[in-house]
Amino acid sequence: KAGVTQTPRYLIKTRGQQVTLSCSPISGHRSVSWYQQTPGQGLQFLFEYFSETQRNKGNFPGRFSGRQFSNSRSEMNVSTLELGDSALYLCASSMEGESGNTIYFGEGSWLTVV
Amino acid sequence: SQQGEEDPQALSIQEGENATMNCSYKTSINNLQWYRQNSGRGLVHLILIRSNEREKHSGRLRVTLDTSKKSSSLLITASRAADTASYFCAAENTGGFKTIFGAGTRLFVKA
Repeated sequence: KAGVTQTPRYLIKTRGQQVTLSCSPISGHRSVSWYQQTPGQGLQFLFEYFSETQRNKGNFPGRFSGRQFSNSRSEMNVSTLELGDSALYLCASSMEGESGNTIYFGEGSWLTVV
Repeated sequence: SQQGEEDPQALSIQEGENATMNCSYKTSINNLQWYRQNSGRGLVHLILIRSNEREKHSGRLRVTLDTSKKSSSLLITASRAADTASYFCAAENTGGFKTIFGAGTRLFVKA
């Protein structure tokens, strides 16, 4: 069974631009979460989607948004990019319905803002 | 929200030694999981311990959970150079939402 797939793996953007990152969860997984990882801040939770609805949201500005499609694939968008948005963005998926679901992570998308 | 700390931030040991990492949290939890991350890669699930369990083993891994102190520890015995990675704990709170805490512990195992 294929793992969590994130695209693109690497990208460079300039300040002020916007970016869209994509995540395909493991087949059958309906929960998708996004995280931002930076050297100084560790893993920061962005948001979680389940059945096309945002269930939980972290403490990030409105420039960060996401959505989930009916096939559970998810995208996140960052508008008006800032230098501080440079980070590894991780997507994770899990099954739903039981406590103790393991989260499966993708390899991440490396975003560099110049 | 993300709360809590992992301790220590970095740990350097010789191959064959044991490595102990600690995690603290603030919410009531259903379970706590440990993950490993090799440099610049995604996180890999290692082990899960439920709130009604106090200790769990998996191969060279031993996890303990003290819900009264809201803390957990991960012990890696007979460490290997390949264990070099960052280790994170994630607690599922009673609301069913998983949280990753802090910056993790960076473990260096010297051959």
